[in-house]
Amino acid sequence: QSVLTQPPSVSAAPGQKVTISCSGSSSNIGHNYVSWYQHLPGTAPKLLIYENDKRPSGIPDRFSGSKSGTSATLGITGLQTGDEADYYCGTWDSSLSVYVFGTGTKVTVL
Amino acid sequence: EVQLVESGGGLVQPGGSLRLSCAASGFTFSDYSMNWVRQAPGKGLEWVSYIITISSIIYYADSVKGRFTISRDNAKNSLYLQMNSLRAEDTAVYYCARVRGSNFAYYNMDVWGKGTTVTVSS
Repeated sequence: QSVLTQPPSVSAAPGQKVTISCSGSSSNIGHNYVSWYQHLPGTAPKLLIYENDKRPSGIPDRFSGSKSGTSATLGITGLQTGDEADYYCGTWDSSLSVYVFGTGTKVTVL
Repeated sequence: EVQLVESGGGLVQPGGSLRLSCAASGFTFSDYSMNWVRQAPGKGLEWVSYIITISSIIYYADSVKGRFTISRDNAKNSLYLQMNSLRAEDTAVYYCARVRGSNFAYYNMDVWGKGTTVTVSS
């Protein structure tokens, strides 16, 4: 059972924007940096955002991250069909001494 | 090219054992902490275990504690997961991933393998 809560799904038309929320607590998001991962079925997950708002090289600036208190948000602008995937937030939980992933959000491009 | 390749998955009966391996290449393996993550059919990602560079710090998810053992051989650029007393709920694709971050507050996984499938069934 995940301690980070995400909406099960979000959708928008091509070119539009979606945001995905990730809600946690003071021991995880409130205390540590948040990462976001993109996962297409049958492939290796990919790091999209680390340290709340940093993008690894090769990740387009259509992807953005932010954090406030015990919640974090991933934004995707200029939505493309290739963005259809599952997205997970993740962070270290300092009380449990485990890494926790969010429940996952499926992005659908209408 | 930075790469992680998992192997060792397969079909095993409940109560059985399996050892997964992860071969690293393209980077200095001994400089990085590593972890295992799994995804059961129809479920989300679940973190399984973490090991620091020199194996002195190890953590496990409660769901596998006491049954799984993570280890590494820096001379062989390899990460391992020994899985004992396997249960049906351990059925999943298992991924190894490289961990970045100067301390746990910065923990993120920047390189992932393609995974190996473990099926626990009679």
